[in-house]
Amino acid sequence: DAGITQSPRHKVTETGTPVTLRCHQTENHRYMYWYRQDPGHGLRLIHYSYGVKDTDKGEVSDGYSVSRSKTEDFLLTLESATSSQTSVYFCAISQDLSGNTIYFGEGSWLTVV
Amino acid sequence: QKEVEQNSGPLSVPEGAIASLNCTYSDRGSQSFFWYRQYSGKSPELIMSIYSNGDKEDGRFTAQLNKASQYVSLLIRDSQPSDSATYLCAVSNYGGSQGNLIFGKGTKLSVKP
Repeated sequence: DAGITQSPRHKVTETGTPVTLRCHQTENHRYMYWYRQDPGHGLRLIHYSYGVKDTDKGEVSDGYSVSRSKTEDFLLTLESATSSQTSVYFCAISQDLSGNTIYFGEGSWLTVV
Repeated sequence: QKEVEQNSGPLSVPEGAIASLNCTYSDRGSQSFFWYRQYSGKSPELIMSIYSNGDKEDGRFTAQLNKASQYVSLLIRDSQPSDSATYLCAVSNYGGSQGNLIFGKGTKLSVKP
């Protein structure tokens, strides 16, 4: 696997609580992404970053915020978790936007009860 | 809304047979096309990329692209039980506003010994 570490890997939380997922890379790639994967929906982009402090929304950004204060770290925050945010979250990194160099982290399983 | 469509399967083939996986996409501006393999509980991994019309072969895998028909396929020759996984088609409009990947929902392949 490319040098991508997601934490926590598994988390159960209660509705209404804040949750932060962390993605750490050792590849010095410029672009970082957060996807969620749900049965019947496939992989959907939440937010992405094209540099330190440079982020943009993806297809399903409502209820999520992100921050990137360092090249190697990209944080995904659920300000007030809801049951609809129960999902598997994948961080990904790439050197460019061609799609040919995107690598995924191992995933974070989040359950909101 | 840009879409990538795949038959969800499951597609079941006997060991040694050819598995044929298909994908259609809606955005005629798409420029790059990818196949990812995802084992259960794991992250997606890139197995093939194709950018121009025609066939591209890599070992037992052949990707086929027909931009006029907006169709991309993946053939797996001499299928093995280890090929049993979900195969994700992804399309990039690199050069567009975001250049991010749009994923299909995936086709589950089962190779029976």
